[in-house]
Amino acid sequence: SQTIHQWPATLVQPVGSPLSLECTVEGTSNPNLYWYRQAAGRGLQLLFYSVGIGQISSEVPQNLSASRPQDRQFILSSKKLLLSDSGFYLCAWGQGHYEQYFGPGTRLTVT
Amino acid sequence: AQKVTQAQTEISVVEKEDVTLDCVYETRDTTYYLFWYKQPPSGELVFLIRRNSFDEQNEISGRYSWNFQKSTSSFNFTITASQVVDSAVYFCALARRWGNEKLTFGTGTRLTIIP
Repeated sequence: SQTIHQWPATLVQPVGSPLSLECTVEGTSNPNLYWYRQAAGRGLQLLFYSVGIGQISSEVPQNLSASRPQDRQFILSSKKLLLSDSGFYLCAWGQGHYEQYFGPGTRLTVT
Repeated sequence: AQKVTQAQTEISVVEKEDVTLDCVYETRDTTYYLFWYKQPPSGELVFLIRRNSFDEQNEISGRYSWNFQKSTSSFNFTITASQVVDSAVYFCALARRWGNEKLTFGTGTRLTIIP
């Protein structure tokens, strides 16, 4: 069966510090991968998605970036965090036009 | 452009009552997919159901049922005999059949079941 992992689970970082969140998927090959952000009490905002290694589509202009160095690994990064980057970050995988399956998420607090 | 509207921001019901969560969508596509997700307090989104636009049969899974009506562009979700464990935020989502693999989510409905 397929499993999706995210780490860290929680993170507190000062403004201006770098960020690296990692997501890995097991039990499937060539999945579509997605990064979402959810601000407190708000809906889901799609940040990036990837249909293959090295293929990244950005949905929202911001100081975040994403990379997919391996088929089942998806990384969200920032060189300098802003207060507005605080939120709950969810990674998801899917195949074709079917449902997406989400990881446990990372709660990021920028102080 | 696609859009999903969940007009009910928050709903509270007493345990064992039935509750219906509304979802209205907009799309120009004739073929598409609809989804419901549950987000419990732990935060992880849990996939509940996928419905294809060409299949308007209602679906029942235990205490959960879904009413898809293409004529009114609605995909409503009913929980029968609600339980405290049903307390969560519920999201409705839409995906195109052709063109890309992205989901368009509604803003969610926070459901609180009062014991």
